[in-house]
Amino acid sequence: QKEVEQNSGPLSVPEGAIASLNCTYSDRGSQSFFWYRQYSGKSPELIMFIYSNGDKEDGRFTAQLNKASQYVSLLIRDSQPSDSATYLCAVPNFNKFYFGSGTKLNVKP
Amino acid sequence: EAGVTQFPSHSVIEKGQTVTLRCDPISGHDNLYWYRRVMGKEIKFLLHFVKESKQDESGMPNNRFLAERTGGTYSTLKVQPAELEDSGVYFCASSQTWTSGVFGDTQYFGPGTRLTVL
Repeated sequence: QKEVEQNSGPLSVPEGAIASLNCTYSDRGSQSFFWYRQYSGKSPELIMFIYSNGDKEDGRFTAQLNKASQYVSLLIRDSQPSDSATYLCAVPNFNKFYFGSGTKLNVKP
Repeated sequence: EAGVTQFPSHSVIEKGQTVTLRCDPISGHDNLYWYRRVMGKEIKFLLHFVKESKQDESGMPNNRFLAERTGGTYSTLKVQPAELEDSGVYFCASSQTWTSGVFGDTQYFGPGTRLTVL
């Protein structure tokens, strides 16, 4: 079983819609969860992280965490074509991050 | 402030040759990490430096890989001799602190070096 799992996609949404990206993790002791965005050939770029159960909002992005279900999601409101990228879920265990394989998002104009 | 930089961006070598990848972390970041993504797989941890010391090298695949960080600034990752299965994208990341707890510290990533072994 992989430590972190994501649907590889692609997930296609029309411009202006809400994109919902999901991630599950296997280590019940995990305490924090990071979302990175990666454009092709570029650095993974931190979007946000979440520690506590519930929702955390930052601009158009909302991270949702449910530790009981071992599930974390990222919602992107008012999706723009510039949001088209691969979204990586990362779960740290002390010094190392465990990554999902990433979900490719396509936002169609 | 400059981000994490990596050199080269691409490298194509023959099986059996040697390649050295370089990473320059964000200035002032004591922690430096190497990760690798092979085709179709997720990004996986290789090792972690705190300043010039190897804190954790549990992800290094075998003794053909040697990482160094002399002086606690930039780091190099040498593959010698390279094998076909070493092909992939090698990422470097850095963080300012390391709290040694389960929460983890935000890691900032470089653009990666794409290595192709023929």
